[in-house]
Amino acid sequence: AQSVTQLDSHVSVSEGTPVLLRCNYSSSYSPSLFWYVQHPNKGLQLLLKYTSAATLVKGINGFEAEFKKSETSFHLTKPSAHMSDAAEYFCVVSESGGSYIPTFGRGTSLIVHP
Amino acid sequence: EAGVAQSPRYKIIEKRQSVAFWCNPISGHATLYWYQQILGQGPKLLIQFQNNGVVDDSQLPKDRFSAERLKGVDSTLKIQPAKLEDSAVYLCASSNRGTTKETQYFGPGTRLLVL
Repeated sequence: AQSVTQLDSHVSVSEGTPVLLRCNYSSSYSPSLFWYVQHPNKGLQLLLKYTSAATLVKGINGFEAEFKKSETSFHLTKPSAHMSDAAEYFCVVSESGGSYIPTFGRGTSLIVHP
Repeated sequence: EAGVAQSPRYKIIEKRQSVAFWCNPISGHATLYWYQQILGQGPKLLIQFQNNGVVDDSQLPKDRFSAERLKGVDSTLKIQPAKLEDSAVYLCASSNRGTTKETQYFGPGTRLLVL
């Protein structure tokens, strides 16, 4: 069985400071991991994904995430927050070899202060 | 390239009424997904189609929800009769072949309010 836990429901940062959104997962098989972003009144958009290649994954808009198998984590980071980064972020896990049901975390709301 | 289209964008109904949502995926995408996103939660997969066949519907409340994808292109999700707890955003997504490593492309969603 697979599951995903986003450790923070809200993260608040100042513009220009680093962003860290935390995600832990549980999977019985080799997982694929994704981060999606949802801006208000807009559809979900892929930020980046890990599919068993390089453990450090770079995505759009300066975001990156590192797959750490020993810690079962896939935290999302960005060196410098921008006002336009304010949105809801979802970590997603799906299993290769298991029943493919993509499982979303509950989401982390990123708030960026000027 | 046109994205995933959904309609209507908003719907308000009373409990025990019926409602239907429509989704048109990205052209050529074999896999189509319907999700339910309740306020404050992440999307939950309701049903996944591969062409016109159902791959997984284990989380679909089959006593009131139904979905079809005739001809393997667009899809309809129906709720009959609706309950208060069905108030949510219904998201449609599509992907090329439906493998676990693929990106899903999401539509804007249909926001349903059941009174």
